Amino acid sequence: DTAVSQTPKYLVTQMGNDKSIKCEQNLGHDTMYWYKQDSKKFLKIMFSYNNKELIINETVPNRFSPKSPDKAHLNLHINSLELGDSAVYFCASSQRGVGANYGYTFGSGTRLTVV
Amino acid sequence: SQQGEEDPQALSIQEGENATMNCSYKTSINNLQWYRQNSGRGLVHLILIRSNEREKHSGRLRVTLDTSKKSSSLLITASRAADTASYFCATDDRGKTSYDKVIFGPGTSLSVIP
Repeated sequence: DTAVSQTPKYLVTQMGNDKSIKCEQNLGHDTMYWYKQDSKKFLKIMFSYNNKELIINETVPNRFSPKSPDKAHLNLHINSLELGDSAVYFCASSQRGVGANYGYTFGSGTRLTVV
Repeated sequence: SQQGEEDPQALSIQEGENATMNCSYKTSINNLQWYRQNSGRGLVHLILIRSNEREKHSGRLRVTLDTSKKSSSLLITASRAADTASYFCATDDRGKTSYDKVIFGPGTSLSVIP
């Protein structure tokens, strides 16, 4: 079983569309994250949820809205997609407070291409 | 916010050689981590070293940490073609909250030539 799974793996869409990416983890972790990796492989944290509560909200356009229905799921909805949103989006999970002590588990990524 | 910076940006070696990557960071940390990313895949956690540790081993990996110089190194011994990947260091950043936030450096791209 995949520990952190994201869907879809690839997403090609036109500017202005709205799209969602889903993430699920079966590790029993209580904290989940969204990271954005640009074309130069630079990883930037976007959001983090702990037990469905938003705890990290970086400077991200409000077109991006995360939703965590339960601690095993963290979805990312993007409105009015722009060319600059093209990137690989990674979901990750960890255990609260010790995420930085025991490492994060990452999903395999969603490659978003906006045309 | 603080951020690790890896050096070199790219490294190409022959199979069997050792590979050394360095990471520098800006502020005090609780721990530092190294991750590997194979092409088209997610990041895989390799090793974590705490601020009170100086060296840690895991298989062919050796990580050192010098908090006085705010730097760390990752050594891969007897490299294999399968070690070809990007390697990232990551440091914790408590910022203004009590929750740990991990900040990644830009990574080192390692190519191991068979």
